[in-house]
Amino acid sequence: DAGVIQSPRHEVTEMGQEVTLRCKPISGHNSLFWYRQTMMRGLELLIYFNNNVPIDDSGMPEDRFSAKMPNASFSTLKIQPSEPRDSAVYFCASSLDWGTQYFGPGTRLLVL
Amino acid sequence: GIQVEQSPPDLILQEGANSTLRCNFSDSVNNLQWFHQNPWGQLINLFYIPSGTKQNGRLSATTVATERYSLLYISSSQTTDSGVYFCAVVYSGGGADGLTFGKGTHLIIQP
Repeated sequence: DAGVIQSPRHEVTEMGQEVTLRCKPISGHNSLFWYRQTMMRGLELLIYFNNNVPIDDSGMPEDRFSAKMPNASFSTLKIQPSEPRDSAVYFCASSLDWGTQYFGPGTRLLVL
Repeated sequence: GIQVEQSPPDLILQEGANSTLRCNFSDSVNNLQWFHQNPWGQLINLFYIPSGTKQNGRLSATTVATERYSLLYISSSQTTDSGVYFCAVVYSGGGADGLTFGKGTHLIIQP
C-alpha cells in the first residue's frame, strides 16, 4: 500500500493567495483527519471526516479555512485568503473506523 | 478537553543506552498511539496501545488505562532513534475522534 499521499509537499505563497492542500487516504479507510503542526501550538486536529461526512470541524481556526471530501479517495483543505500565521506543516491521516491513524508525509506551507 | 503530558521533555543519551518515556493522560481513552517524528518531519507509527503491552524489536510499550499512563521503552539506543516521540490519545467520552497530542519528548542519541 502506498500509504497516505499528500500534495504538494512544499508550498510557498504570498499573503492573500488561495492555498489548496490535497490528500489521498489509504484505500479502504473510512476516516480522514487533517492536523496542523506549529512550534507554538504543537500538533492539533483541524477537522475529521467519517464516510466522507465532516464530523467535527471545531478545530478549524476561522472561516478562511475550509475542507471537503467529495469521495472516499480524496480530500482538500483550502485556505483563502492565506496569512503568514498560517505557516505550518499540515498533515493528513486516515484510519479504518476508530483504529490506528496513519499519517501522510505532510505539506510544509510558508506564507510570506 | 483531555490533557496529555509527556516526560521528560528532553533526553540526551549515549548510543547503547536504554530509556523510558512517559505519557500521562487526564481521562479515559479508547485510542492511544505512540509516534516517532524523525528529523525529516515524518510521523511514524510505533504502537497502537490503548491498553496492555506490546513489543516491536528494541521498542516496547505499556499502557495502564486504569491509572491513565503509558510508557515507551527503547533499548540499546541507536543514533537513528533520535527525534521527537509523541503520545496521542482519543478521549473515550467525547464526540471528537481526532487525536490529542502531547508536546513530545525530544530524544538525542549521541554516537
